[in-house]
Amino acid sequence: DQQVKQNSPSLSVQEGRISILNCDYTNSMFDYFLWYKKYPAEGPTFLISISSIKDKNEDGRFTVFLNKSAKHLSLHIVPSQPGDSAVYFCAGREGSQGNLIFGKGTKLSVKP
Amino acid sequence: NAGVMQNPRHLVRRRGQEARLRCSPMKGHSHVYWYRQLPEEGLKFMVYLQKENIIDESGMPKERFSAEFPKEGPSILRIQQVVRGDSAAYFCASSTDRVGNSPLHFGNGTRLTVT
Repeated sequence: DQQVKQNSPSLSVQEGRISILNCDYTNSMFDYFLWYKKYPAEGPTFLISISSIKDKNEDGRFTVFLNKSAKHLSLHIVPSQPGDSAVYFCAGREGSQGNLIFGKGTKLSVKP
Repeated sequence: NAGVMQNPRHLVRRRGQEARLRCSPMKGHSHVYWYRQLPEEGLKFMVYLQKENIIDESGMPKERFSAEFPKEGPSILRIQQVVRGDSAAYFCASSTDRVGNSPLHFGNGTRLTVT
């Protein structure tokens, strides 16, 4: 039972254009959502987060949008850069214990 | 990632042996989480510990796996009598507070190979 789904295993985007990574969830008890970026042979790196009481959070080139009614969030990267090429994981926080439930990730390739 | 130290980076064990994975959290972090990533899969939560306490081990297999975070020293994830299905990347993460109030910082993982 996947509580966090990233339905696109991969995404290819031209440098300078917008990258949109999508994430769907089923658990209504998630109160916080986070995006992590992961390079090969490294651990995930925190990118941006959003509380369930908000619908948008922006940090530089990265913006996360949350649509609670649709149980959907997305990460926008604009403009995309070759260094953004990595696997992006969406995660929801489950309850007060703070455990993160991760999706399977989307591999982003930004072509020069 | 350099702040959370995991060792060894690579570990090879034969079936039936024991694997011990160590994690030193970032300085000042008292919350430690262990995650496992199987090939082509996302990260799966295993266990959440605070100093000397297991807070949530709902993701940990009931047998052969154990974790501790002693008052002094690193957190240890121990796998007894390893089997081939235990081959995976094991990531440790730490935070100053529960996730959301402060994000998790991950180490670079230990890649366990069971032959």
